[in-house]
Amino acid sequence: AQSVAQPEDQVNVAEGNPLTVKCTYSVSGNPYLFWYVQYPNRGLQFLLKYITGDNLVKGSYGFEAEFNKSQTSFHLKKPSALVSDSALYFCAVRALSSGGSYIPTFGRGTSLIVHP
Amino acid sequence: SQTIHQWPATLVQPVGSPLSLECTVEGTSNPNLYWYRQAAGRGLQLLFYSVGIGQISSEVPQNLSASRPQDRQFILSSKKLLLSDSGFYLCAWRPQETGELFFGEGSRLTVL
Repeated sequence: AQSVAQPEDQVNVAEGNPLTVKCTYSVSGNPYLFWYVQYPNRGLQFLLKYITGDNLVKGSYGFEAEFNKSQTSFHLKKPSALVSDSALYFCAVRALSSGGSYIPTFGRGTSLIVHP
Repeated sequence: SQTIHQWPATLVQPVGSPLSLECTVEGTSNPNLYWYRQAAGRGLQLLFYSVGIGQISSEVPQNLSASRPQDRQFILSSKKLLLSDSGFYLCAWRPQETGELFFGEGSRLTVL
């Protein structure tokens, strides 16, 4: 079965410190991987994606993610956290559905809290 | 540019009443469309997706149904709401040629 896991329900970091939000995946074939952010009572916003090419992907708001095929991971990172980065972060993978179509499958989400 | 509209933003309905949530996409054609439900502010559950007009795939059995009467319109319905239908419903679209989703602002449904 194809899936994505976010092992941490919550990540706490001080403003100005680097942050990492973890994601591991399990898919057959080449993975298409994504990160999204959700602010309270809002829809999800796309941050970045990995399809092929450079393992380090840069996205919106200074975020980046590193694709690691051997560890089947796609961790989200930022060198210096801001209080405004506090939100819910979702990792997603494009997976093959039972009906034969490719559909996005999301992790359970990780709540990032950046302390002033 | 492309935009997605979802309404109503909030809805409070009694148990047993019908439901209709609507989603439209502008500025694109033949998008893939999705309905997700988010319970308790966390994980997303895929309810329905559509790759074209009249083509609906359901991922989980439930009290809800979906329809796509036009290329850029996706409707989520129920004939009789249950308490367990409460949640935050998100519509999303995906261009055929790329993988990322673009979400609407969500509809918060409370069933009393």
